[in-house]
Amino acid sequence: SYELTQPPSVSVSPGQTASITCSGDKLRDTYVSWFQLRPGQAPVLVIYQDAKRPSGIPARFSGSNSGNTATLTITGTQGTDEADYYCQTWDISGAVFGGGTKLAV
Amino acid sequence: QLQLQESGPGLVKPSETLSLICTVSGDSISNSSYDWGWIRQPPGKGLEWIGTFHYTRSPYYSPSLKSRVAISVDRSKNQFSLKLSSVTAADTAIYYCVRLVELVRGGGYFDYWGQGTLVTVSS
Repeated sequence: SYELTQPPSVSVSPGQTASITCSGDKLRDTYVSWFQLRPGQAPVLVIYQDAKRPSGIPARFSGSNSGNTATLTITGTQGTDEADYYCQTWDISGAVFGGGTKLAV
Repeated sequence: QLQLQESGPGLVKPSETLSLICTVSGDSISNSSYDWGWIRQPPGKGLEWIGTFHYTRSPYYSPSLKSRVAISVDRSKNQFSLKLSSVTAADTAIYYCVRLVELVRGGGYFDYWGQGTLVTVSS
């Protein structure tokens, strides 16, 4: 089955830039979404179609997809950004998620 | 504002059937612009897609769960449900209902999620 690979954890100081990568050998052919998960809260879509931000998502969240790697970038990271982040795309079998990255701020 | 709310038993015995309902408010599941579905997250693990449907088409399911899962719709109540049969401890998870914006080129993105409900499989 198709796999998306994310680093298990990323650590960043407040105010700095955090980058979370998502690797997969078919990513150049598909769109990637990114989700933020905090305990006890509904997951939140933060990036869709590689680089688009939903209404209400701060501009410090951005995304890119180049070659076989998609990247979620958080510029000027805040303490409230501490959460688990998952990338997601599609293959012939359906939706596929990365293993998730725990962002520590 | 769109809200999705999962409901159902929090404890299911092994070999029995897990049943959950998602109640949608703020939109209609008959809205042709969207699909709807279920995603789960076992404790300490990642997200797993279960299945998705559009009200005009049959649902499609994860190949790994297809033999045990069924999603159905009650348009009169604006609800959809999940049934997962022959459950084991491996089916213990937080279950989320979601809305999917389908793209013309295929795939799409899950733009709204419910809060999720924890279902534990244990005797």
